[in-house]
Amino acid sequence: ETGVTQSPTHLIKTRGQQVTLRCSSQSGHNTVSWYQQALGQGPQFIFQYYREEENGRGNFPPRFSGLQFPNYSSELNVNALELDDSALYLCASSLMGSGANVLTFGAGSRLTVL
Amino acid sequence: GDSVTQMEGPVTLSEEAFLTINCTYTATGYPSLFWYVQYPGEGLQLLLKATKADDKGSNKGFEATYRKETTSFHLEKGSVQVSDSAVYFCALKDGANSKLTFGKGITLSVRP
Repeated sequence: ETGVTQSPTHLIKTRGQQVTLRCSSQSGHNTVSWYQQALGQGPQFIFQYYREEENGRGNFPPRFSGLQFPNYSSELNVNALELDDSALYLCASSLMGSGANVLTFGAGSRLTVL
Repeated sequence: GDSVTQMEGPVTLSEEAFLTINCTYTATGYPSLFWYVQYPGEGLQLLLKATKADDKGSNKGFEATYRKETTSFHLEKGSVQVSDSAVYFCALKDGANSKLTFGKGITLSVRP
């Protein structure tokens, strides 16, 4: 059983640029969610994708967008990067409808915006 | 809205000491409660969970009991090891979707 894999592991961008982060979900999972973890803070929910559609969103502006593909992998896109977007971005997969719906997290993509 | 409050850290203990990390929550419904652990340079790993009042989650010597009357889910371990050094997050899930609400996390350092 493969876990959740994310790429890239680290990247550096400048203000105003755009970034795409990628996530492969765990085998057997059909739901992907994304979290932003600023330094020294707990993860904050960005959004969730189920059946290739956004299915819940946290308090993040529209410049944060995503996709889910038929194989349940996902992308997180952030446009017009700001310095405060510097964070660890975590992807998590789960199986919708499976009791407590436990999430399996990837190791994250660390984004630095200069 | 939902929220999770964890005790302030960091916490430093000697090996074999007793550990308690406090966690309280606010939720509108009947949430599931979780403890996640994050080792340096890694993502979050589920440590234990409880889905209803009075449930006790346990794993690797850690325990936490879902206390609805005090809205708490304190994490305990009777004898910590150096390998337990990590950041611990309390979290809740309230609803059918995958949204987890996390506390700020607390760093635990265990000295030999």
